[in-house]
Parts: sequence; structure tokens; C-alpha cells
Amino acid sequence: GENVEQHPSTLSVQEGDSAVIKCTYSDSASNYFPWYKQELGKRPQLIIDIRSNVGEKKDQRIAVTLNKTAKHFSLHITETQPEDSAVYFCAARTAGTASKLTFGTGTRLQVTL
Amino acid sequence: GAVVSQHPSWVICKSGTSVKIECRSLDFQATTMFWYRQFPKQSLMLMATSNEGSKATYEQGVEKDKFLINHASLTLSTLTVTSAHPEDSSFYICSAWGADGYTFGSGTRLTVV
Repeated sequence: GENVEQHPSTLSVQEGDSAVIKCTYSDSASNYFPWYKQELGKRPQLIIDIRSNVGEKKDQRIAVTLNKTAKHFSLHITETQPEDSAVYFCAARTAGTASKLTFGTGTRLQVTL
Repeated sequence: GAVVSQHPSWVICKSGTSVKIECRSLDFQATTMFWYRQFPKQSLMLMATSNEGSKATYEQGVEKDKFLINHASLTLSTLTVTSAHPEDSSFYICSAWGADGYTFGSGTRLTVV
């Protein structure tokens, strides 16, 4: 089955700096890669996603890049703010529109003043 | 957007008793429901996938007789933790697949004492 690795496990940046989180996946058939932000005790919130036919996607301060050949994808957050502090999870979905998501291990992002 | 209502949000039960968690899609039909378990500071681990009207598919290592899943209609899926033990204490989250993609419930914090 699919295996998703995520690094780093913790990341501390100063407000205004950029943050980058990286994930690798194992199943070359995976075709959908969402990123979620989760605050303590809350549900995961989708912040951005990318499909396998696209190499990069941007939404304001957030961007995701995908390298299908290397089977890795990254989340980039620019101009970080304290409210960006949370746990971020990457995920990968194998082919099939209603297929399950396999989540990465998570990155705890701390944005300091 | 799509909403999944999950109840209860938290529950405390005695060891040996059963607990039922309910997820209801409010404004869409959920053809597939995913049930996750999340231990503190860990990732979301898929327990099982259910499709309306058919038996759930359990992930390796998840006891199907202990975690009973019922997906009797396109808007309601339930997870029953039978004979709960302290090691079952966790955060349980459902995720429904529908026209808007994956929609997560708000989660249920289960504490078994």
C-alpha cells in the first residue's frame, strides 16, 4: 500500500520567514495530494491540494509543488504569521476518485514573534 | 460547502462498555465514509472504509468485531467501539467522500476509564 513520509517533524520559524515541509510517497499510481492544517482537538482543514497532472499550485501565501518522477511534493508558506502555527499533514491518494487518503506523520509548525 | 456532523464531540465511558459515534452528512450524499483514529501527537490512521449498503473494509490490524461500522444510508455512518478499554482512548474522526471531495467530521474524543 501507499506510504507517505513527511519532514521535518517540527519546524520553528520567525514571523515573516518562509516555511517548507516535504513529503515523499511510494505508490506511483497516487494522483491527488492534499495538505491539511490541524489545530489541537480540531478537524483537519484542507489548505491546498494538487493533482498529478500539475507541477505547482499557488494560493496567496501558500504553494505546493509536485515532482512525480521523484515522488515527492512540498508545501511552501511565505510571510508566515503566528496564526499559521499548527500541525500540518500531507496526504496521498491512490488512483480512484473515492479512494482512501494516506497521511504523512505531520509537522508541528511554530511561528515565533 | 459540505458539512459532516459528528457526535458526540467527547465521551467518557467505563472499561467494558460500548460507545457509538455517529457521522451524518447534512447537505450531500456520502457514498463512502472513512473512519480514522488519531492518538496524541500522531497522524490520522485509517481504520476502515465503508460504502453505503455494504460491509466495511478494515485496515490491517484493526479488529472488525471490536470496531463495528454501519453505513445504512447515504447520509449516516456509525462507528461502535465495543468492549472499550483504556487503550482505545483516542480521537476518532470520520471523513465523507462526496461531490466536494473529502469532508471531515469534527471528531470525537473518547476516554475509557
